[in-house]
Order: sequence, then structure tokens, then C-alpha cells
Amino acid sequence: AQKVTQAQTEISVVEKEDVTLDCVYETRDTTYYLFWYKQPPSGELVFLIRRNSFDEQNEISGRYSWNFQKSTSSFNFTITASQVVDSAVYFCALSEDYKLSFGAGTTVTVRA
Amino acid sequence: SQTIHQWPATLVQPVGSPLSLECTVEGTSNPNLYWYRQAAGRGLQLLFYSVGIGQISSEVPQNLSASRPQDRQFILSSKKLLLSDSGFYLCAWSGTGGNVGETQYFGPGTRLLVL
Repeated sequence: AQKVTQAQTEISVVEKEDVTLDCVYETRDTTYYLFWYKQPPSGELVFLIRRNSFDEQNEISGRYSWNFQKSTSSFNFTITASQVVDSAVYFCALSEDYKLSFGAGTTVTVRA
Repeated sequence: SQTIHQWPATLVQPVGSPLSLECTVEGTSNPNLYWYRQAAGRGLQLLFYSVGIGQISSEVPQNLSASRPQDRQFILSSKKLLLSDSGFYLCAWSGTGGNVGETQYFGPGTRLLVL
């Protein structure tokens, strides 16, 4: 069985601060995929990134960056210079076969 | 480009009434389709997934059922709703071929309140 843990339930920051979301996963597979999704107040899940288990390069996309460390089974997500529009629930997910197992999510509130 | 639609957007139903939620995908063929439920303040729970017409896999025993009458149509149903069926229902699709780790793309969701 696989499991995804997002230990931070809620994070509140002031605009322009950086925020890092932690994600720790468990799996017995050697090939697997990790994802991050954003759920704004409207409710729709927005895909942010997909990473396979063989690619440990960090990735940056604008103000978003991801740090994948296989040795510690972590796939952390950082928002640099946060903005009010970043306020949302962020989910980390692990794929095995056809299915995604989601973490419980981290609610990020960015205050102006 | 691919788009995914869900309707209705919101629904308020009495306990014991039937339910039918519909999801359709455009711009792709033979997608994998998924139904998730998100209870208030909680994570997502996979309910059903389908890799083809008439092929449904259930993840959690429950009061709900799913059907896939057409390639790009996925329906979630119930004969008699329970209070515990309230939640936010999300449909998703991913690429065909049964490949591991395909990205899932989600629809706008249906908010269901059972009273």
C-alpha cells in the first residue's frame, strides 16, 4: 500500500514571503510518479507538476519550484514571493498503476 | 485541446432520492475516467475508475455506482442517497493505453448536499 503525508494542515503567510509545502510518500515500487495539484476556492483541481521516480532534478516554473529527494522520499513544493492568488489547498499525490493516492492537502493563505 | 465537463454544478437532494451525475470529455479518445469524492475539509477519495466502455472498477464499497455508456461519458449514480453521500464530486480523465503514472485532469466538480 502506498501513502502520501502532508504534515502541514494550514500555512498562513504575508504576501511576498516564500512558503514551502512538505510531502513525504511511501511506496514499494521502483517506478512511480509524483504530482502536485492546486485547488483554489472554486474547487477545480489544477495540475501543477508530474515527476517520475528516475528524475531527481529539481524543477522551477516561474515562482514555483519543486525539490525531489528520493533518499528521504520527499517531494517538496516552494512558492517564492507568494501572492494572494496563491491562496488555495495544495495536494501532493502518488501514482501507482492507474490510480492516484492523495495527501490530505495543505491550505495556504496569503494575506495582503 | 481536451476539456472535461461536469453537471450539474450544484445539487441539493433529499435523503432517499436517486442521483445521477454526468461527466463528459472532449478532444480525446479512449481516456481513462475517474470519479473522486471530497468530503468537506478532507482529501480526495477515489470511488471508481474506467479504462474503457462498460469497464468499471470500484475502489470503495458504498451506496454509489458508475457507468460508462460511451467512450467519453462517465456517470455516477445512486438509487437512494444517504446523508453521508454529501460532498464534492470530481471527475477526471487521463491518457489512454493504461500507462502507469498518466497525469489526471479534473473537471469543475459537482457539489452535492443531501438533506
